[in-house]
Amino acid sequence: GAVVSQHPSWVICKSGTSVKIECRSLDFQATTMFWYRQFPKQSLMLMATSNEGSKATYEQGVEKDKFLINHASLTLSTLTVTSAHPEDSSFYICSAPDREHNTEAFFGQGTRLTVV
Amino acid sequence: DAKTTQPTSMDCAEGRAANLPCNHSTISGNEYVYWYRQIHSQGPQYIIHGLKNNETNEMASLIITEDRKSSTLILPHATLRDTAVYYCIVRTRMDTGRRALTFGSGTRLQVQP
Repeated sequence: GAVVSQHPSWVICKSGTSVKIECRSLDFQATTMFWYRQFPKQSLMLMATSNEGSKATYEQGVEKDKFLINHASLTLSTLTVTSAHPEDSSFYICSAPDREHNTEAFFGQGTRLTVV
Repeated sequence: DAKTTQPTSMDCAEGRAANLPCNHSTISGNEYVYWYRQIHSQGPQYIIHGLKNNETNEMASLIITEDRKSSTLILPHATLRDTAVYYCIVRTRMDTGRRALTFGSGTRLQVQP
């Protein structure tokens, strides 16, 4: 099946710094990608929808100036957590749907962000 | 997406079949039943989906009741690597290509040695 690669798998950063997470579709084009956040023992919560060539759509309560999303190509979306704080520590996951067959969504491996 | 109800947790002995139920009594005629799972600290993984007929692939079988108000995911010979949270999601096929999946709480399956 199709592969979505997410990088890095884990990152530790200091408070106040910014962290960039990359999500790549390796063998298909993804005009749309989704970014989720997952806190311990909780389910995945959608943060934003990333659209190639246009602005991302953010879910209610997600600060667009803090979580910058760039979808510059058909195979790459990036999420930048700006001025990170310890409460931003979480598991971030990206996803790209199979728009050709509409059968399933493909997920990245996830990125464990720890802000110290 | 139609609402789904799953048990919070289940245990299964290694090598035995794991039967994970899902209720979706408000499912519409054009909505499919999808199953995903999430192993700890990994992204979710697609397992199987179906409309009204039973489906089987290399990972699992999906049994959908005739009235389509409930379904069961069957892992025929559970292994320790099947320990994960299993999500039942109901949605139209077109939505799969357009909208993000909405994850409920899922069923935490613990496979015991």
